[in-house]
Amino acid sequence: DAGVIQSPRHEVTEMGQEVTLRCKPISGHNSLFWYRQTMMRGLELLIYFNNNVPIDDSGMPEDRFSAKMPNASFSTLKIQPSEPRDSAVYFCASSPTWGQGGTGELFFGEGSRLTVL
Amino acid sequence: QKEVEQDPGPLSVPEGAIVSLNCTYSNSAFQYFMWYRQYSRKGPELLMYTYSSGNKEDGRFTAQVDKSSKYISLFIRDSQPSDSATYLCAPFTGGGNKLTFGTGTQLKVEL
Repeated sequence: DAGVIQSPRHEVTEMGQEVTLRCKPISGHNSLFWYRQTMMRGLELLIYFNNNVPIDDSGMPEDRFSAKMPNASFSTLKIQPSEPRDSAVYFCASSPTWGQGGTGELFFGEGSRLTVL
Repeated sequence: QKEVEQDPGPLSVPEGAIVSLNCTYSNSAFQYFMWYRQYSRKGPELLMYTYSSGNKEDGRFTAQVDKSSKYISLFIRDSQPSDSATYLCAPFTGGGNKLTFGTGTQLKVEL
């Protein structure tokens, strides 16, 4: 079975440019999460979706960030305009049992490493 | 106070040593206590979890929870170089609530 697939794996861009990160969750998983990881702050939840509907976006840092999940097999995280402080590794994760008595197991992709110059 | 606190390390031990990794938390509503392992340049993966207080053993790994002191531990026996990774604790209330991670402890097991 393919795991969570993220693209691009690496992105280097200049301040002010738009960045779009993509995620394909594991087939059959009904919940999708976007996390950001930095040395200083660790793994932070940005937003999560249940059955393609955003449930909690309180972790989205500001209006420059937006996320969509148009169908069960695809999600995007967009940053516009990007800033150097957005440099981080962005992880997408999916879960088959979130909110259904699940134990908190998330399946992570390999991450998209973003550098904003 | 952060909801989950974890010593970032790095922690360096010789092969075969017993390793103790620890977290403290503040939310008494946490019921599940997860440990994720993250290899360099990879995403985290679930290593093991416990429900409520007590111990759980899985091979060389033992997870321990003391809810009275809000203290979580992961012990690794006979540590191997392949155990070199960052270990993140993630206590969880269950249901549809969000999963909060500690900042992770970086472990290096040396030959």
